This record gives sequence, structure tokens and C-alpha cells, in this order.
Amino acid sequence: KQEVTQIPAALSVPEGENLVLNCSFTDSAIYNLQWFRQDPGKGLTSLLLIQSSQREQTSGRLNASLDKSSGRSTLYIAASQPGDSATYLCAVYSGNTGKLIFGQGTTLQVKP
Amino acid sequence: DGGITQSPKYLFRKEGQNVTLSCEQNLNHDAMYWYRQDPGQGLRLIYYSQIVNDFQKGDIAEGYSVSREKKESFPLTVTSAQKNPTAFYLCASSADRVGTEAFFGQGTRLTVV
Repeated sequence: KQEVTQIPAALSVPEGENLVLNCSFTDSAIYNLQWFRQDPGKGLTSLLLIQSSQREQTSGRLNASLDKSSGRSTLYIAASQPGDSATYLCAVYSGNTGKLIFGQGTTLQVKP
Repeated sequence: DGGITQSPKYLFRKEGQNVTLSCEQNLNHDAMYWYRQDPGQGLRLIYYSQIVNDFQKGDIAEGYSVSREKKESFPLTVTSAQKNPTAFYLCASSADRVGTEAFFGQGTRLTVV
């Protein structure tokens, strides 16, 4: 059974710092991995999608990497800003079932 | 604008009542999903549908029912059999069942009163 874990559960950093969020999964047979952002009381916003054949994806100050063999992905946020404060979730499409399985998220606070 | 619309944003249910949450998408996506989010537990899959007139149970389907009569609509009914329905419900869609980006609605917060 696929399990997705995100560490740390919460993170607080000063503005301007570069930071890394971690995501690990137990079954390497994934089709893709997706990173989302969730603001309090809101839905999820897609940030980056990495296909299983890709190693990384970049969007602005965000860079996501994928190491399928080791079951790990990282989300790198450069020059963090207070507006980046949110919960970040990773999710994998597992096997051939069409299920998107989520980690529990990392809640990020960027202090001015 | 293309997207996923969930309604209502807030919903209150009395004990013993069935309530239906609406999810509509105009992205022409084949696959649609319902998730439940509770504090500290992440998102858990309730039901998903890969094509019209077909759907499968997710990990926590007991006490819920769905229909998929139209491509753009995937309503979720929370029945009286669901013992702890208070939660944040999220609907999502993707172009096909694997390999494509998933998009989410803004959620419905259901509270039992």
C-alpha cells in the first residue's frame, strides 16, 4: 500500500531564506508526483507536476525534484516571502488505480 | 474561466439528514474525485470516477454516495449513515485517470448541528 510522508510537519523561517520541503513515498511505481499549496480554509492550488520519467520541474522560485528509485521528492523555495506562508502538500499517482495519494503536508510560516 | 466549482461553501446538517455537495467542472476532464480533509489527517479519498456512469470507492466510502450522469458533474451525498461527517470536502478533476495534473475546487465545509 502506497504511503506518502512529509517532513517536517511545520517550519518557520525568516523572510529571504531558501528552504527545502521533503516528501517520501513507499512504492516507487508511480505515474507522477504533484506539489500543491493550500491556504487556510481554501482549496488546493497546483504548483508543480513531475512525471515519473522526469527528474525536476521549475516554476519561478520553486523547483521540485524527483528520485523515484529512492522514493523521494523535494520542493525547493528560493528567497522565501511572507506570501509563501501556507501548507504544502505532495501527492503521488500510484500504480494503475488512478488514485492520487497525499502526504499530510508541511505548514510553512515565513516571518517578515 | 475554466475551473471546478463547488457549492455551497458552507453547509450545515442536522442529525439524520442526507445532504448533497455539488461539484461542477468545465475543463472537459474525464476523471473526478472527492476527498475529505480533517485537521492533522491530510486528504483521504472518498470516491472517484474515471468516466461517465462509472465510479469506484476510495478509502473511506462508507456513509457516502455519488453519481456521475454527466461528464461535468460529480455530486457527493453525505448520508445519515456517516457518523462523523463534519469535515472539509474537496472535489478534484484531471484530464484522464493517470499521468495528468489534478485541479481542485475551493471546498465545502460541512458541519453537523
